[in-house]
Amino acid sequence: SQKIEQNSEALNIQEGKTATLTCNYTNYSPAYLQWYRQDPGRGPVFLLLIRENEKEKRKERLKVTFDTTLKQSLFHITASQPADSATYLCALGFQKLVFGTGTRLLVSP
Amino acid sequence: DAMVIQNPRYQVTQFGKPVTLSCSQTLNHNVMYWYQQKSSQAPKLLFHYYDKDFNNEADTPDNFQSRRPNTSFCFLDIRSPGLGDAAMYLCATSSGTNYEQYFGPGTRLTVT
Repeated sequence: SQKIEQNSEALNIQEGKTATLTCNYTNYSPAYLQWYRQDPGRGPVFLLLIRENEKEKRKERLKVTFDTTLKQSLFHITASQPADSATYLCALGFQKLVFGTGTRLLVSP
Repeated sequence: DAMVIQNPRYQVTQFGKPVTLSCSQTLNHNVMYWYQQKSSQAPKLLFHYYDKDFNNEADTPDNFQSRRPNTSFCFLDIRSPGLGDAAMYLCATSSGTNYEQYFGPGTRLTVT
C-alpha cells in the first residue's frame, strides 16, 4: 500500500537558520507533490505544489525539491523565524490527496 | 475574503446520537472534500464531491454520509457516532483544475 514517511520527531532550530524537512514515499508514483502548513487546532494551509517533471520550486523563503528516483521531497525554509513554527505536511496526488503525518518545526529566537 | 467556513467549530454529541457537521465555501470551487484527522495523525480522506458526483473512499465506514445540496454547501452526517469517531473533521475545496486544496478551520467532535 502507499506509504508516506515524514520524521515524527520535532525539528528544533535557531532563528535565522535553514530548516529542512523530508518526505519519503513508497509504492506510489505521484505526478504531483504538495506541502501544507498546519497550526494546532487549525486546518492545513497550502504552501507549494511541485510536478514530477520539476526538480525544484521556490516561493519567497520556501524551496521544495522533488526526486522521483529517490522517491523523496525536501522542503526548505531559509532564514527561519519563530512564526514558522508549525507542523508541515507532505501530500501526494492531485485531485485526491494522501497526506503524511507531518513534521513539527520549532524555531527558537 | 473568499473562504471555507465550518460550523460549529466544536461539537459534543452523545454515543449513538446522530450529528451533522456543515461546510460552506465562497470560492465557487467544483470539488469539496471531507477529511478526518485524529491527534498526531495525517488527515484521512472520507469522501469528496466533484460537482454533484459523490466519491466515497473504500475504507470510509457506512456510518458516515454526506450531502451536497448546492455548490456552496456540503454536510457530513455521522449516523451513530462511536467513541472512535472523536476527531477533527476538515472540509476542503479545490477548483478541479488547480490542485491545491483550501481547508476550513475544522470542527472538533467530542463523543461522550
